[in-house]
Amino acid sequence: AQSVTQLDSQVPVFEEAPVELRCNYSSSVSVYLFWYVQYPNQGLQLLLKYLSGSTLVKGINGFEAEFNKSQTSFHLRKPSVHISDTAEYFCAVSSLTGNQFYFGTGTSLTVIP
Amino acid sequence: EAGVVQSPRYKIIEKKQPVAFWCNPISGHNTLYWYLQNLGQGPELLIRYENEEAVDDSQLPKDRFSAERLKGVDSTLKIQPAELGDSAVYLCASSLGLAGVETQYFGPGTRLLVL
Repeated sequence: AQSVTQLDSQVPVFEEAPVELRCNYSSSVSVYLFWYVQYPNQGLQLLLKYLSGSTLVKGINGFEAEFNKSQTSFHLRKPSVHISDTAEYFCAVSSLTGNQFYFGTGTSLTVIP
Repeated sequence: EAGVVQSPRYKIIEKKQPVAFWCNPISGHNTLYWYLQNLGQGPELLIRYENEEAVDDSQLPKDRFSAERLKGVDSTLKIQPAELGDSAVYLCASSLGLAGVETQYFGPGTRLLVL
């Protein structure tokens, strides 16, 4: 089975500063990795996903993540955050068959004006 | 294109009462998921449908929860009777195929409060 650990439950950051949200995964087999964002009172929206190929994945809203197999990590980054980035961010992992899909506990990003 | 539609958005009931949630997935999406999201937690899968067949319901508490997806389109999730611990957000998602290569699209959720 697979699992993900999001190391920070809350991350406050000033507007226009860079941010990194950390995610580590556990699996004995190859996996797919995802980052989702959840704005208040809304469903989850896919930011980006790693399936194969380049380890640097670019997503929507200026976010990117890097897959690091040796460190079993998939950290999310943005060079300059905006107020509108305030939301809950979830890392997720799935088996290659897609029949097992697990979310982390989430990281609450608060952008401070 | 319309997204995943869920209703109601909010529901308040007393414990031991029944409650039902409805989900209409994106047109053409064969795979439908129901997730439970507790406060401060990530979504946890309750049940997954491939068309009208429930292919993974291992995490569904079958003593009080039931679900159906008639005709392989809309789906209903029911709790009977509801308990205080069922207070949570119930999310529905759909995808063209199995999540992974295929993206899951989520509805806004139904927020349930059991008093």
